[in-house]
Amino acid sequence: AQSVTQPDIHITVSEGASLELRCNYSYGATPYLFWYVQSPGQGLQLLLKYFSGDTLVQGIKGFEAEFKRSQSSFNLRKPSVHWSDAAEYFCAVGTSNNNDMRFGAGTRLTVKP
Amino acid sequence: DTAVSQTPKYLVTQMGNDKSIKCEQNLGHDTMYWYKQDSKKFLKIMFSYNNKELIINETVPNRFSPKSPDKAHLNLHINSLELGDSAVYFCASSPREAGPYGYTFGSGTRLTVV
Repeated sequence: AQSVTQPDIHITVSEGASLELRCNYSYGATPYLFWYVQSPGQGLQLLLKYFSGDTLVQGIKGFEAEFKRSQSSFNLRKPSVHWSDAAEYFCAVGTSNNNDMRFGAGTRLTVKP
Repeated sequence: DTAVSQTPKYLVTQMGNDKSIKCEQNLGHDTMYWYKQDSKKFLKIMFSYNNKELIINETVPNRFSPKSPDKAHLNLHINSLELGDSAVYFCASSPREAGPYGYTFGSGTRLTVV
């Protein structure tokens, strides 16, 4: 079965600084990869996804992610973080063979003024 | 206008009680899910239904029983609640093939068992 690892439990960045959240996946074929954001007390919102084509994908709220097959990674980036970006971020992997998406443990982002 | 709606948002109950959480989606999706999020924010799939048919049933105690009266609804009934059942439960939906589309999540039900 597919799996996801998010190595960083908690990251703190200053407002206006750049951000990179790491995600590594394990799956034998080409995966479908996703990033979700969860604000406190809310459900998960889809930021962006990759399943084929251009390995650099753009999402909502100014986020982007790059799929690197050689590194089994799908890191999320944002050039300038806003205070409203403070939230929990989840990387997820799905496949074409089933409807079972697996989530990483999440990375909590804190934004300092 | 809410795409995936869950009720109730908060549920506080005593050990041993039976409770239900309801979920409805108006997206026309074929597949619905229940996920459990523990206190460390880890998300684990519990059940997946496609067009009212169970397709995934992870290792979940049989005190948990999903029911799908139609493809727009997936309810979760929990018997004999235990302290360890305290968590946030998320309902989600997706088109038939979840792979390329991602999920649309409800806002969650925070269950507290006392």
